[in-house]
Amino acid sequence: AQSVSQHNHHVILSEAASLELGCNYSYGGTVNLFWYVQYPGQHLQLLLKYFSGDPLVKGIKGFEAEFIKSKFSFNLRKPSVQWSDTAEYFCAVNGGYNKLIFGAGTRLAVHP
Amino acid sequence: EAQVTQNPRYLITVTGKKLTVTCSQNMNHEYMSWYRQDPGLGLRQIYYSMNVEVTDKGDVPEGYKVSRKEKRNFPLILESPSPNQTSLYFCASVGAGEDEQFFGPGTRLTVL
Repeated sequence: AQSVSQHNHHVILSEAASLELGCNYSYGGTVNLFWYVQYPGQHLQLLLKYFSGDPLVKGIKGFEAEFIKSKFSFNLRKPSVQWSDTAEYFCAVNGGYNKLIFGAGTRLAVHP
Repeated sequence: EAQVTQNPRYLITVTGKKLTVTCSQNMNHEYMSWYRQDPGLGLRQIYYSMNVEVTDKGDVPEGYKVSRKEKRNFPLILESPSPNQTSLYFCASVGAGEDEQFFGPGTRLTVL
């Protein structure tokens, strides 16, 4: 069965620190990969997605992610975080027709 | 504005009292689904619908029902809620051939 693992459940950073959130998936077929963000009290928003092509994808708000097929990974990065990046981040993989398989999420807290 | 709406946003109820959470989208999307979000588990799909009158179980369907009589609406029904259904519920929709799912704002349900 498909699954998604997010290595860090809670991350605490100071503003301007660099961020990398790990995501590994298990799925034997062609994968579509996503990162969603959920700000406190809000719904999920798509940060970025990978379907094919350049394995380094850029998303909104300065986020990027790298698809490494050999490692089954799709880690999220941001060079310099801001307080406004405090949120919960979810990695997801396509699990069939329009179905998303989500990881458990990573709560990021950024301190000024 | 393209959006997915859910009502109510917050609900506290008691065991066994039937309830319905409504979901509506204004994007003419064919595919709609319900997820529940629980700490440490991420989002898990409850039910989905590929079009009007076409619904099927997701990964955690026990205790839930859905219907899709109109394209825009996809209500989630809890016939006899139990405390283990206390959770945060999200409705999502996506159009045929598209890849970005749009999520509603969430419904926080507490069953006492």
